[in-house]
Amino acid sequence: ETGVTQTPRHLVMGMTNKKSLKCEQHLGHNAMYWYKQSAKKPLELMFVYSLEERVENNSVPSRFSPECPNSSHLFLHLHTLQPEDSALYLCASSQDYSSGSQETQYFGPGTRLLVL
Amino acid sequence: GENVEQHPSTLSVQEGDSAVIKCTYSDSASNYFPWYKQELGKGPQLIIDIRSNVGEKKDQRIAVTLNKTAKHFSLHITETQPEDSAVYFCAARASGTYKYIFGTGTRLKVLA
Repeated sequence: ETGVTQTPRHLVMGMTNKKSLKCEQHLGHNAMYWYKQSAKKPLELMFVYSLEERVENNSVPSRFSPECPNSSHLFLHLHTLQPEDSALYLCASSQDYSSGSQETQYFGPGTRLLVL
Repeated sequence: GENVEQHPSTLSVQEGDSAVIKCTYSDSASNYFPWYKQELGKGPQLIIDIRSNVGEKKDQRIAVTLNKTAKHFSLHITETQPEDSAVYFCAARASGTYKYIFGTGTRLKVLA
């Protein structure tokens, strides 16, 4: 266990559905991340939060909406997704972004999303 | 934009042999290089990392080497075991940024 949990582990949704992915970290970290992992492609950084403030948004479509209510929880709200959004969505956390051991990222197990 | 190239995409070795995975990065400001192992149904797990002020780091059967001039770093696994079978990712990050650039992964199969 890495100290980062994600729910649900699997999700099937239609294109008109609204669903949310949840991530929780028990490591006392200040930064949290959402990544998209598709087959044969590098991990794609979607969003970064530091101390509950969004610090990076990598040109992600508005049908993905992140929320960070506190430093331990991160959500990804999904609305009117497309089949090409099917992928593994990974959450990660790190102590901070400065150099040193704080920068190590710890990943959750991911949510396998299928959009029909 | 910045990218990290990783080779090979698949690698099969006999148990007990060594495995080498290579990555090349483009951003000369990169100074932190982690390696992750991802097993089926799990997220990536950090196995070893190296910073730009050192050229080599070792942890039991795993070692990483860095050539800053060539912008090249490699993962070496010796005495491979079946449980080493997984997908391995390299990544590069510049100091003061959140952005990790990942390679496309190498699927390692260790044949018993």
